[in-house]
Amino acid sequence: DAKTTQPPSMDCAEGRAANLPCNHSTISGNEYVYWYRQIHSQGPQYIIHGLKNNETNEMASLIITEDRKSSTLILPHATLRDTAVYYCIVRLLTGNQFYFGTGTSLTVIP
Amino acid sequence: DAGVTQSPTHLIKTRGQHVTLRCSPISGHKSVSWYQQVLGQGPQFIFQYYEKEERGRGNFPDRFSARQFPNYSSELNVNALLLGDSALYLCASSLEGQGIGYTFGSGTRLTVV
Repeated sequence: DAKTTQPPSMDCAEGRAANLPCNHSTISGNEYVYWYRQIHSQGPQYIIHGLKNNETNEMASLIITEDRKSSTLILPHATLRDTAVYYCIVRLLTGNQFYFGTGTSLTVIP
Repeated sequence: DAGVTQSPTHLIKTRGQHVTLRCSPISGHKSVSWYQQVLGQGPQFIFQYYEKEERGRGNFPDRFSARQFPNYSSELNVNALLLGDSALYLCASSLEGQGIGYTFGSGTRLTVV
């Protein structure tokens, strides 16, 4: 079962930052937080992952709270192509599967 | 570079029939995982294979089976199809079956009528 809670949907204005929250209050010490997104009719796409430090790559930033019970994915300048379902997942680095849950449907509005 | 390729992209089957879905991983990737995604839900894990051995199995009935070939490609087989098996079937490949680096294909859309 998914160990995360995400809002079902969010809107964001084009060009603005999109901040997608995720609660994972039962995360264990060696579980990582992963974010994937799925654009309609495509397979999920890896965005970013982290353990306890904030992470940034060319796609997004991941902010993990100090107690690790929640995190936020930040898309700094949302474009229409960022419209997708975003999944927050917790898992062991050595785990063999992802529990996707139902994700957050992000709509970027022109 | 070729990504994860799945075939066919779409197919329609009748209840009770059997279906075989195919997946070719990214070159050099030795692990393949299968997921089922029912409309409106997130993907659910079915199987993982690494170096031709099953490394994980999700909560699916024995009608679902899979195998991995020496070239690391994989097949997912579903017997005695039910209407509820209608879904998008996703294949993901990775170098070693763990950690980052999972790349998903675009899936096979199976409709059971």
